Amino acid sequence: AQSVTQLDSQVPVFEEAPVELRCNYSSSVSVYLFWYVQYPNQGLQLLLKYLSGSTLVESINGFEAEFNKSQTSFHLRKPSVHISDTAEYFCAVSPVSGNTGKLIFGQGTTLQVKP
Amino acid sequence: NAGVTQTPKFQVLKTGQSMTLQCAQDMNHEYMSWYRQDPGMGLRLIHYSVGAGITDQGEVPNGYNVSRSTTEDFPLRLLSAAPSQTSVYFCASSYGKQFSGNTIYFGEGSWLTVV
Repeated sequence: AQSVTQLDSQVPVFEEAPVELRCNYSSSVSVYLFWYVQYPNQGLQLLLKYLSGSTLVESINGFEAEFNKSQTSFHLRKPSVHISDTAEYFCAVSPVSGNTGKLIFGQGTTLQVKP
Repeated sequence: NAGVTQTPKFQVLKTGQSMTLQCAQDMNHEYMSWYRQDPGMGLRLIHYSVGAGITDQGEVPNGYNVSRSTTEDFPLRLLSAAPSQTSVYFCASSYGKQFSGNTIYFGEGSWLTVV
């Protein structure tokens, strides 16, 4: 079985400041890792994912996440946030084997960017 | 390109009533699933399907039924609504027999209130 823990339920930050949203996971099998973003009253959108290869993955809007296998973490970072980054962020994992397309989500972290 | 379409977007039910949340995708995805989103709990998997005619239970299946008669459609049925089923429901789909971290696409959500 897999579980995902997002260590902060809310992260307030001022505009143009750096931010880190923390994610730890537990799994007895290999997993793929994902970050999804949910803007108010909208569905989830894939932000970035780690499948294999380089442990640092980037999104098109300046976010990056680093897979740390020894610490079983997949923290999300951005060096300078914008007001428009205000949203809820979900970390998720999916087992590599099994071919089910299932995602196991963390509880979510609300990023509040203040002017 | 419609993607994943959910209907209705909003619904209010009385306790004991039944209803069906519709989900359709036009991407020829084999994998479809239903999640519910509750505050502080992230998204939890209700039921999923790896192809037409095949369904299985997720983390929180009680009180819900699904069927997959076609590749495109994956309706979620509430047999006898309870206040505990007040939630936001998301349908999702992904591509391919061999799930290799393919992107999972989400619908925009269905807000359900049971009174």
